[in-house]
Amino acid sequence: AQSVTQLGSHVSVSEGALVLLRCNYSSSVPPYLFWYVQYPNQGLQLLLKYTSAATLVKGINGFEAEFKKSETSFHLTKPSAHMSDAAEYFCAVRLSTGNQFYFGTGTSLTVIP
Amino acid sequence: GAGVSQSPRYKVTKRGQDVALRCDPISGHVSLYWYRQALGQGPEFLTYFNYEAQQDKSGLPNDRFSAERPEGSISTLTIQRTEQRDSAMYRCASSFGAGSNEQYFGPGTRLTVT
Repeated sequence: AQSVTQLGSHVSVSEGALVLLRCNYSSSVPPYLFWYVQYPNQGLQLLLKYTSAATLVKGINGFEAEFKKSETSFHLTKPSAHMSDAAEYFCAVRLSTGNQFYFGTGTSLTVIP
Repeated sequence: GAGVSQSPRYKVTKRGQDVALRCDPISGHVSLYWYRQALGQGPEFLTYFNYEAQQDKSGLPNDRFSAERPEGSISTLTIQRTEQRDSAMYRCASSFGAGSNEQYFGPGTRLTVT
């Protein structure tokens, strides 16, 4: 069975502080991993993706994530939070053998001025 | 079009009525996905098309839910005899090809069943 776990449904950081959003997955076959961002009243937008190339993936808006197979993790980070980063973030997994995407329950990021 | 569009954006219906939700994918995109997203949850897979062929409908909750994409472009998700538990955000996504890793999401249709 495949699943995605996002630890912390709500995360608050001060503007300029490090952002760390956690994602762990379980998969019986090598997965593809994704982070999406959702702003209010908008659709989900792809931030970055891991597809078995480099384990450190850089995305848009200064975000990056590192695939750690030994920890089955794909945590999302950004060195310095900006007010515009406040949004809902979703981690997702897709198996290399299929087309279904499985999403985590999301983490709401609040940036405090 | 420039992006995935969905209509209506908001739909309020009475229990027992049928509803049809429309998705217009990005032009040329082969694959189309439907998801349901409850409040405070991530998107939950419902069904998936390549061209006009429904490849996977394992996520449809029961036989009141159906989807079609007759010409390989626009898709319709139909819910018959709606129930209050069907209330959710219904999202559509499209991707360039089967196996493509990048999905483009529409803004969703917020369905409320009263």
